[in-house]
Amino acid sequence: GAGVSQSPSNKVTEKGKDVELRCDPISGHTALYWYRQSLGQGLEFLIYFQGNSAPDKSGLPSDRFSAERTGGSVSTLTIQRTQQEDSAVYLCASSKRAPSNTEAFFGQGTRLTVV
Amino acid sequence: GEDVEQSLFLSVREGDSSVINCTYTDSSSTYLYWYKQEPGAGLQLLTYIFSNMDMKQDQRLTVLLNKKDKHLSLRIADTQTGDSAIYFCAEVNFGNEKLTFGTGTRLTIIP
Repeated sequence: GAGVSQSPSNKVTEKGKDVELRCDPISGHTALYWYRQSLGQGLEFLIYFQGNSAPDKSGLPSDRFSAERTGGSVSTLTIQRTQQEDSAVYLCASSKRAPSNTEAFFGQGTRLTVV
Repeated sequence: GEDVEQSLFLSVREGDSSVINCTYTDSSSTYLYWYKQEPGAGLQLLTYIFSNMDMKQDQRLTVLLNKKDKHLSLRIADTQTGDSAIYFCAEVNFGNEKLTFGTGTRLTIIP
């Protein structure tokens, strides 16, 4: 597609339920990032995929969070047993690989509300 | 690991220049970026600079890079109300090509 697409755009879930957030990166972009942004706050890095390399999971806040990237394209971020503190906007971004300009393009995000 | 720091808030009078500062620790940065996030919107790339450059100018925007001090700044000339946003700096590490963002600076324009 023309840009990074995320779905759903909004998700309201009950505490304790599992949720899956989807990201479709720009075609041909080898790098994919997940970030979390709480209301009015900065970006919190979650996970980074680059080509076929092992993902950098150093930002995942707990073992309730996991992500996968199938076929080097679409990525799914899964949050198990959601808690109220998981409420935030989850942003996905993708970029080309160096030496191309590694500018990251962002999706519009998924706003997750845990009630 | 890499670390990128910014001041959280900046207030500027309309028509004045805004200078947003950023410091980073990664000496192997390749590209450095400035992103803008308007209220309720996603992040949009404003401008970028390659690490072998000292300065880049694009209309009202001027980016200055001091590699020795690992300091990046964004100057917005003639600041307008439409410039109100959160500004994020970011750098890409040469080794793992991972993009690291700063905490963001919220720019408020005073009429």
